[in-house]
Amino acid sequence: QKEVEQDPGPLSVPEGAIVSLNCTYSNSAFQYFMWYRQYSRKGPELLMYTYSSGNKEDGRFTAQVDKSSKYISLFIRDSQPSDSATYLCAMSWRGNKLVFGAGTILRVKS
Amino acid sequence: GAVVSQHPSRVICKSGTSVKIECRSLDFQATTMFWYRQFPKKSLMLMATSNEGSKATYEQGVEKDKFLINHASLTLSTLTVTSAHPEDSSFYICSAGGQGSSYNEQFFGPGTRLTVL
Repeated sequence: QKEVEQDPGPLSVPEGAIVSLNCTYSNSAFQYFMWYRQYSRKGPELLMYTYSSGNKEDGRFTAQVDKSSKYISLFIRDSQPSDSATYLCAMSWRGNKLVFGAGTILRVKS
Repeated sequence: GAVVSQHPSRVICKSGTSVKIECRSLDFQATTMFWYRQFPKKSLMLMATSNEGSKATYEQGVEKDKFLINHASLTLSTLTVTSAHPEDSSFYICSAGGQGSSYNEQFFGPGTRLTVL
């Protein structure tokens, strides 16, 4: 079993839709949870950073962490074609390396 | 967010040659830099962690003699792929962490695509 599971997609949605991206994990020690966006042939860009459980909102993006279920989500409201990219979840525990999910390819169609 | 650059963005070389990739933090001092490798449609695989002024720590299965990492200053780390072979063709990405940061906060460079013929 992988430490972090993420559906690779692709996930195709119409412009304006609410997008839900998810990751599950097996290591209960993870405390820090991140979402990165990666455009084709580019490096990952940090979107959201959350410590422990709870929600965090930044503009059209909302990150949720449910440690009891070992499940994290990223919601994108009013999705735009420019949101089309690969979304990587990543997590770690204090002083340890980031563990990445496989990434979900998102396609927003106009 | 912090800005990290990589050079070159793309390199094509012949088998057996060595290739050096530079990673620079442009607007902050990076005490720790990380080197990743990414295969097509796959996630990032951590290769090594380097701290300024000390030897890099390599992940299991990564050949330290093949992938030489130098982190001589707080703004520059280099990855040298020695005697490159076609199986070394990949997308190499560096990331940098600031002063006192843990692994948690990393800022990624744009990546270098290496093609070995």
